[in-house]
Amino acid sequence: ETGVTQTPRHLVMGMTNKKSLKCEQHLGHNAMYWYKQSAKKPLELMFVYNFKEQTENNSVPSRFSPECPNSSHLFLHLHTLQPEDSALYLCASSQGISGGGSTDTQYFGPGTRLTVL
Amino acid sequence: AQSVTQLGSHVSVSEGALVLLRCNYSSSVPPYLFWYVQYPNQGLQLLLKYTTGATLVKGINGFEAEFKKSETSFHLTKPSAHMSDAAEYFCAVTLYNNNDMRFGAGTRLTVKP
Repeated sequence: ETGVTQTPRHLVMGMTNKKSLKCEQHLGHNAMYWYKQSAKKPLELMFVYNFKEQTENNSVPSRFSPECPNSSHLFLHLHTLQPEDSALYLCASSQGISGGGSTDTQYFGPGTRLTVL
Repeated sequence: AQSVTQLGSHVSVSEGALVLLRCNYSSSVPPYLFWYVQYPNQGLQLLLKYTTGATLVKGINGFEAEFKKSETSFHLTKPSAHMSDAAEYFCAVTLYNNNDMRFGAGTRLTVKP
């Protein structure tokens, strides 16, 4: 496989469930991202990992918990979600910001369509 | 912080007509600007980007964009629309040595036969 893959593509869960979203990149990148895409709203950056270190957490509720075990994999653990959390969750990867800096193009996966009942 | 504004949430053109999608940015330092396209049930695909150098940038599928610092704009154009161009288009901005990419709200392009 090439590029950025996400599983599952669709997920329906109740408010009391615990589930995880998985993202894998095959591009040799060192930075990975989670975004939330809701209808009629701009993409919201949720979390950023740069060289496996979390560098951004944009005031995301604690019911979303990211995990980055290595530079190729990124997870988003979900528990006790609310109906307003229903959205398309996109994962992206990029070369990553090192001491030399970069103009970092992000490459996106197809997303997981999450529905919270 | 940097930001982008996309003017027009919906644009409709006829097949063969000019496509113009507008994007204005706000940044206190030189920005890096991107256009992404999203087809239904897919993620975002990079169309083109501006970092430094030539202000007219050519991308995939016949699209191009011009960076105009004086107008703080980065509008996307295509001379002749094709039915397959129907999608949602996102303008985005980031800064040098910065992971934080900010996206516009998107413009949905419809192409009429």
